[in-house]
Amino acid sequence: QQQVRQSPQSLTVWEGETAILNCSYENSAFDYFPWYQQFPGEGPALLISILSVSDKKEDGRFTIFFNKREKKLSLHIADSQPGDSATYFCAATPQGGRALIFGTGTTVSVSP
Amino acid sequence: DPKIIQKPKYLVAVTGSEKILICEQYLGHNAMYWYRQSAKKPLEFMFSYSYQKLMDNQTASSRFQPQSSKKNHLDLQITALKPDDSATYFCASSHSTSQNTLYFGAGTRLSVL
Repeated sequence: QQQVRQSPQSLTVWEGETAILNCSYENSAFDYFPWYQQFPGEGPALLISILSVSDKKEDGRFTIFFNKREKKLSLHIADSQPGDSATYFCAATPQGGRALIFGTGTTVSVSP
Repeated sequence: DPKIIQKPKYLVAVTGSEKILICEQYLGHNAMYWYRQSAKKPLEFMFSYSYQKLMDNQTASSRFQPQSSKKNHLDLQITALKPDDSATYFCASSHSTSQNTLYFGAGTRLSVL
């Protein structure tokens, strides 16, 4: 049973557009939601995260929108750059939990 | 310089053999983890260690055995290898097991023939 779901599986945007990546979860106990970015041949790296007490978190061109009632969140990548081409993983865990549960990832391609 | 070193980067093994995946972290962290990434599957949590003690084990098979000889080492021994074990295995660390920010190594890509 997949506890964290992501869509779409892949996404292509033009340089300068906003990429929108979706994530949903099932466990109401989840309250920490990091997004990880992974380039080919590398391990995932933390990009941005949000706690369930917030509905929005911004860090430069990256913004998380969080809807606790619907158990959904999204990552918006504004002014997408070719260097943003990577796979993005949504993850979740209860605060202080020991195991991050990852989604299947969204592969983003930014065309110049 | 990479702060989490995994060796080897690529590994080819025959069915039934045994391999050890090496992980060392130089971040001063007290918690270490193993995750597995298979094709078209999410990153799957396997083990967590804190101060060299096993905290969580989500791997059903006893063929997977973590080994911690030092606080900054967490190796993964896999016995009786099967083709289904083919995956990229990632080592990660965090300040503590209650600190959710994980730092990942570059992974060991294992192929079992």
